[in-house]
Amino acid sequence: GDSVTQMEGPVTLSEEAFLTINCTYTATGYPSLFWYVQYPGEGLQLLLKATKADDKGSNKGFEATYRKETTSFHLEKGSVQVSDSAVYFCALRGSQGGSEKLVFGKGTKLTVNP
Amino acid sequence: DAMVIQNPRYQVTQFGKPVTLSCSQTLNHNVMYWYQQKSSQAPKLLFHYYDKDFNNEADTPDNFQSRRPNTSFCFLDIRSPGLGDAAMYLCATSTRDTGQPQHFGDGTRLSIL
Repeated sequence: GDSVTQMEGPVTLSEEAFLTINCTYTATGYPSLFWYVQYPGEGLQLLLKATKADDKGSNKGFEATYRKETTSFHLEKGSVQVSDSAVYFCALRGSQGGSEKLVFGKGTKLTVNP
Repeated sequence: DAMVIQNPRYQVTQFGKPVTLSCSQTLNHNVMYWYQQKSSQAPKLLFHYYDKDFNNEADTPDNFQSRRPNTSFCFLDIRSPGLGDAAMYLCATSTRDTGQPQHFGDGTRLSIL
């Protein structure tokens, strides 16, 4: 079945450091890929998405590129802020007809220190 | 703004006392989901509805039930909560378009005394 493998962390960075969180996937066909962010005590918020190979999703300074050849969707940000401290989940949604479920990675907790 | 609303944000119940969590949406999405999330873990899908069609995950305990009386509302019923059911419960919605994300509510934090 479909699966997502995500760098688990925790990751601790200083403010303005470069962030990479690795995410690779296994799926048949052409899944859609997502990054979600969860702040303490809240639900998941969609951060960015990509629906086909070579698409780049971007939002709030975060970027991820759908790489079919390496089955990856790594999350990057050039300069993190304290307010980026949260848990980040990589997820995929299968391309088979009627596929309603998300497959999540285990999540990566990011802490950014001033 | 269109959104997914969960009530209450915090719920305390007693061991074995039935509890109902609610979710409403203004997105008019035809798929609604319930997840259980425990500390430091990814959300775990309990079940989902496509319109009125109910889809239960194979490992969801019988103690968990759900109702969807109309497009906008969905309820999670826990018939006899145990200490292990203490968790964050997340509701989400989506369309059937596989390129679209799920939209999450802020969750209900359930505590069992």
